[in-house]
Amino acid sequence: EVQLLESGGGLVQPGGSLRLSCAASGFTFSSHAMSWVRQAPGKGLEWVSAISGSGDYTYYADSVKGPFTISRDNSKNTLYLQMNSLRTDDTAVYYCAKGPPSVTIFGVVIPLPMDVWGQGTTVTVSS
Amino acid sequence: QSVLTQPPSASGTPGQRVTISCSGSSSNIGGNLVNWYQQLPGTAPKLLIYSNNQRPSGVPDRFSGSKSGTSASLAISGLQSEDEADYYCAAWDDNLKGVFGGGTKLTVL
Repeated sequence: EVQLLESGGGLVQPGGSLRLSCAASGFTFSSHAMSWVRQAPGKGLEWVSAISGSGDYTYYADSVKGPFTISRDNSKNTLYLQMNSLRTDDTAVYYCAKGPPSVTIFGVVIPLPMDVWGQGTTVTVSS
Repeated sequence: QSVLTQPPSASGTPGQRVTISCSGSSSNIGGNLVNWYQQLPGTAPKLLIYSNNQRPSGVPDRFSGSKSGTSASLAISGLQSEDEADYYCAAWDDNLKGVFGGGTKLTVL
């Protein structure tokens, strides 16, 4: 059974940092693109970032480009999201999601569709 | 402001057919595949439709998807009370990012 388990959320002050982790099991982790998606309280889904299976390709939403860094450790079957310079509007539930097998087409690895999602971890940015 | 445009709400009575629209542009829906997600209250999203019109294993055939040009639609036939949820369309954008619709809250009357 495919499982994704996020951790690392919590309360942080504006300007602070957090690193989210997503432990994956039940599939060949290194073969699949992975994404982070967030949902602010009472709001819709917002795609945040994605990474190819090898980690060679990374993509970011404009809203997080610069402060956030996605990475993965395929030896540990774990996905990460390093979040720096956090702002109050980064407050959200953060989901990790499994994408399709990584295939490079014209230099791009499309990380959609996201077919399995974790239960989410809550990040609260507040003073 | 979401890149993809969905109606904020939709409703129907049990047994009815409802459709939810999703409008985008040539850089996302127009040139890439559309996916739909269902989010029941208090739970993580679930993939409902992928590649415009394909259902993952376990999704009832009451759910169907279509795409034409820069727009897509999700149709739910034989509406049931358990279909009450938020529905999101999503696509890849050629500007190298994923994009979602703002979501449609479906109410079963």
